[in-house]
Amino acid sequence: NAGVTQTPKFQVLKTGQSMTLQCAQDMNHEYMSWYRQDPGMGLRLIHYSVGAGITDQGEVPNGYNVSRSTTEDFPLRLLSAAPSQTSVYFCASRQPRGGGTEAFFGQGTRLTVV
Amino acid sequence: QQQVKQSPQSLIVQKGGISIINCAYENTAFDYFPWYQQFPGKGPALLIAIRPDVSEKKEGRFTISFNKSAKQFSLHIMDSQPGDSATYFCAASFNDYKLSFGAGTTVTVRA
Repeated sequence: NAGVTQTPKFQVLKTGQSMTLQCAQDMNHEYMSWYRQDPGMGLRLIHYSVGAGITDQGEVPNGYNVSRSTTEDFPLRLLSAAPSQTSVYFCASRQPRGGGTEAFFGQGTRLTVV
Repeated sequence: QQQVKQSPQSLIVQKGGISIINCAYENTAFDYFPWYQQFPGKGPALLIAIRPDVSEKKEGRFTISFNKSAKQFSLHIMDSQPGDSATYFCAASFNDYKLSFGAGTTVTVRA
């Protein structure tokens, strides 16, 4: 099993550009989420999904869109990149309670917006 | 506003020493308190977790102490080793998908 796979690992964008960060998991987990990690702020939840077709906002959703058409994939879209979105992005998946509550994280995508 | 406050921001400990990281929370609905370990360039990985019905949980050299009345929990790393040098995050949740993380503590173990 590959676990949670994120692509790309690194990306540089110009202000105003759009892009999609990919996330795929092969553990058949129902729950998936996106976090951003910034120095001194820990991991902050951007968006999450409790199953295919169901998404909701986290703490810092502005400027990001998500969709969940399959159990495996949960892409994060940056609509119009801003320097404030320079961060390391992590995708995570986990099973509902009863199936284990450990969250499995991908390796991260380091995004720089210039 | 962070729902889980973590301290210290960083600490340095000698090999064989004890590392202690503290976290505090306000939301009494939280019912799951994990600690994650992160090495540079990697994603966080679950280290140990506790639920509020127990006051302590130990796994190897890692121990969580939980004080429900004070709304505080802490991670103790006993006999710290250079391989323990990493960033540690405490977290809390009251359902199965929304984890609230602390700001993180960078631990450096000097040989």
